[in-house]
Amino acid sequence: TQLLEQSPQFLSIQEGENLTVYCNSSSVFSSLQWYRQEPGEGPVLLVTVVTGGEVKKLKRLTFQFGDARKDSSLHITAAQPGDTGLYLCGTSYGKLTFGQGTILTVHP
Amino acid sequence: DTAVSQTPKYLVTQMGNDKSIKCEQNLGHDTMYWYKQDSKKFLKIMFSYNNKELIINETVPNRFSPKSPDKAHLNLHINSLELGDSAVYFCASSPGQGWHTIYFGEGSWLTVV
Repeated sequence: TQLLEQSPQFLSIQEGENLTVYCNSSSVFSSLQWYRQEPGEGPVLLVTVVTGGEVKKLKRLTFQFGDARKDSSLHITAAQPGDTGLYLCGTSYGKLTFGQGTILTVHP
Repeated sequence: DTAVSQTPKYLVTQMGNDKSIKCEQNLGHDTMYWYKQDSKKFLKIMFSYNNKELIINETVPNRFSPKSPDKAHLNLHINSLELGDSAVYFCASSPGQGWHTIYFGEGSWLTVV
């Protein structure tokens, strides 16, 4: 059983579309992080959310931490080919643990 | 200057061989990690060191032996390589344990044939 369940696992969309990636758990977390991994590179931190209900924006990316601090979502507006990559949610629940990841492909 | 650098980037080797992957971080961090990413892109922690001391040792075969000569270096030695060891191995570091930002290296692509 995964501590963090991400969905969808794969997402293939056209440039300009919107999308949402979900990260869910039955556990409560003190914080949750989102990373993006581009092909051939290591993951890079996008954001850390700490407070229940918190919303953080990073240009066209909007991150939300659930009120109960058990889940989080990442919404991308008007996706671009440069958004293509693997998106990982992770939490330090004793050790840094990641969800299975969402592979996003944005076609021009 | 690369913050977390690991070598080699690509490694193709035969079953049964012994190989090492080296990692260095120039961020002054206390904590270093080794992660394994399988073919399905699942990223799982293998080891964590804090100030040269082993903190986390996941259920990893004892053919895998990490070594931290100082807090800026964490090397991974693998004995008797098996086909199932083929994966991407990421070194990473963070200022300390807990939810600090994790900085990853570019990965080492290991293929066992």
